[in-house]
Amino acid sequence: NAGVTQTPKFRILKIGQSMTLQCTQDMNHNYMYWYRQDPGMGLKLIYYSVGAGITDKGEVPNGYNVSRSTTEDFPLRLELAAPSQTSVYFCASSYPTLEQYFGPGTRLTVT
Amino acid sequence: AQSVAQPEDQVNVAEGNPLTVKCTYSVSGNPYLFWYVQYPNRGLQFLLKYITGDNLVKGSYGFEAEFNKSQTSFHLKKPSALVSDSALYFCAVRDRDNYGQNFVFGPGTRLSVLP
Repeated sequence: NAGVTQTPKFRILKIGQSMTLQCTQDMNHNYMYWYRQDPGMGLKLIYYSVGAGITDKGEVPNGYNVSRSTTEDFPLRLELAAPSQTSVYFCASSYPTLEQYFGPGTRLTVT
Repeated sequence: AQSVAQPEDQVNVAEGNPLTVKCTYSVSGNPYLFWYVQYPNRGLQFLLKYITGDNLVKGSYGFEAEFNKSQTSFHLKKPSALVSDSALYFCAVRDRDNYGQNFVFGPGTRLSVLP
């Protein structure tokens, strides 16, 4: 049982490039989430999903897109990367109302 | 709207002394409350939760937290701190009565346990 896995661990992007952050969970959780954590700050919700085929915006969705074609996978797409998207990105999953399980994070730098 | 406050950016405590990390919350309905810990360069790890029932909940690594509805607080405690408890601690809340609401996290409190 690997829990929540994220790839890549680190990435440097140039301004204007695009990339996809991968997230997979093997706990059969309905809910999945993407957060960003800026230095010295708490977590901000980017997007979430309550099940395959259903996604919704969180607090800071601009510049990102998601899809959820399976229960296990919840990739986050960055289009036209900007320096403001430099952050650490965490994926999480949970059953409804219960605690979240977090992946190890992806550290992204946009220069 | 939901919100979580952690009034202390930093808490310093000597090893062996009791520790408290404070959390207050605001929800329109009844809360689900959580504490998470984050070690350097790691994701958040679940410590404990309050769902319903006994106001004192016990969690991992000897931590406990007390739900106080009248003060809308959920402070994290440990009777005897260890140096290895040094980390970043996050309180989170979800409105139990509003199914569409997601978790809201506090800004985090950095705990330093001094040897």
